[in-house]
Amino acid sequence: ETGVTQTPRHLVMGMTNKKSLKCEQHLGHNAMYWYKQSAKKPLELMFVYSLEERVENNSVPSRFSPECPNSSHLFLHLHTLQPEDSALYLCASSQDFRQDGDTQYFGPGTRLTVL
Amino acid sequence: QKEVEQNSGPLSVPEGAIASLNCTYSDRGSQSFFWYRQYSGKSPELIMSIYSNGDKEDGRFTAQLNKASQYVSLLIRDSQPSDSATYLCAVNTEFNAGGTSYGKLTFGQGTILTVHP
Repeated sequence: ETGVTQTPRHLVMGMTNKKSLKCEQHLGHNAMYWYKQSAKKPLELMFVYSLEERVENNSVPSRFSPECPNSSHLFLHLHTLQPEDSALYLCASSQDFRQDGDTQYFGPGTRLTVL
Repeated sequence: QKEVEQNSGPLSVPEGAIASLNCTYSDRGSQSFFWYRQYSGKSPELIMSIYSNGDKEDGRFTAQLNKASQYVSLLIRDSQPSDSATYLCAVNTEFNAGGTSYGKLTFGQGTILTVHP
């Protein structure tokens, strides 16, 4: 898994904890994404970054806070999460999401459990 | 709400058979379509992309696109037990942010395929 990497692969946290998920892409892409995958539900796009500029997705609760310090790294900061936030969090990257046909490649995901 | 619908599963086929996975989408302006395979506990892996009407073949996989009917499908010939996975249809749809239009992938809920020996 050298294209898109994610750490940690598994995370268990309490509702009062603060933790961060990390994503790194080694593909030279300009766009990065956070997705949430819950059981029996389609993949949900949470955030999009293009050249470190965030494209708003207003449906995501403020307890999720993304950070993109450069085009290769993406973080998702978590605080005061709820048990229903337990899910697989997937990072993806692509060359340029403004272009038609742009293809996304996924990292292995972080399995998050909120107690 | 721009939607992507996949045929409800699970789909079970015998080894060597053809597996047919279907997907419809609501955004008539969509131009890019993708099929991802996701093994249990793993992340989605791109297996096919298609942009023009008609068929596109890659080994045992054939993607079919009909934009007029807003329909995209994936055929897997000579199915193998290793093909057992969830198949996700993804469609590039338009969304607006800050007064600018962008494309994003909208995923279907997935179809679970089981190929039994």
